[in-house]
Amino acid sequence: QQQVRQSPQSLTVWEGETAILNCSYEDSTFDYFPWYRLFPGESPALLIAIRPVSNKKEDGRFTIFFNKREKKLSLHITDSQPGDSATYFCAATEGGSAKLIFGEGTKLTVSS
Amino acid sequence: GGIITQTPKFLIGQEGQKLTLKCQQNFNHDTMYWYRQDSGKGLRLIYYSITENDLQKGDLSEGYDASREKKSSFSLTVTSAQKNEMAVFLCASTGTGVNQAPLFGEGTRLSVL
Repeated sequence: QQQVRQSPQSLTVWEGETAILNCSYEDSTFDYFPWYRLFPGESPALLIAIRPVSNKKEDGRFTIFFNKREKKLSLHITDSQPGDSATYFCAATEGGSAKLIFGEGTKLTVSS
Repeated sequence: GGIITQTPKFLIGQEGQKLTLKCQQNFNHDTMYWYRQDSGKGLRLIYYSITENDLQKGDLSEGYDASREKKSSFSLTVTSAQKNEMAVFLCASTGTGVNQAPLFGEGTRLSVL
């Protein structure tokens, strides 16, 4: 059973638009949610992360919105650029554990 | 700065073969991970280790063994390679403390003939 789910599987936006990537989870004990970005041929790199004590985390053009009650979060990429084209992974850590579980990823394409 | 080194970068095996992948980190991190990446399936956790000689199973541990001989190294063994198997195996590490996101190595790309 997939404990961390992402949607959509793939997303195409125009340059300058806001891309919205969704993530949901099952386990209410999850207490840390990092997002990673993966470019082809490279290894995943941490992009931004949030803890449930916050409902929003912002870093430049990247913002996480978090809804603890609905067990959902989303990554918003404003003013999308072609260089943002990559696969984005939502991940979650079980409370009190080092176990980090990933979603299946959203492949983002930004067209110019 | 630190680095996570995975060897080999590319691995070609035969069906049924036992294959070992190695990972070294010089961050002095306590926790290390092995993930498998398949196209369209995200990253699936195989094993992780929170300290030397510790092993914790992930969701995909069947068919694999792991060994944390010392703090800086974590190896993964594919016990019997499956024909036509293709995947990227990623090693990661993180320090102690609450909510630290792992750093990843560059991966080992496996192909089984």
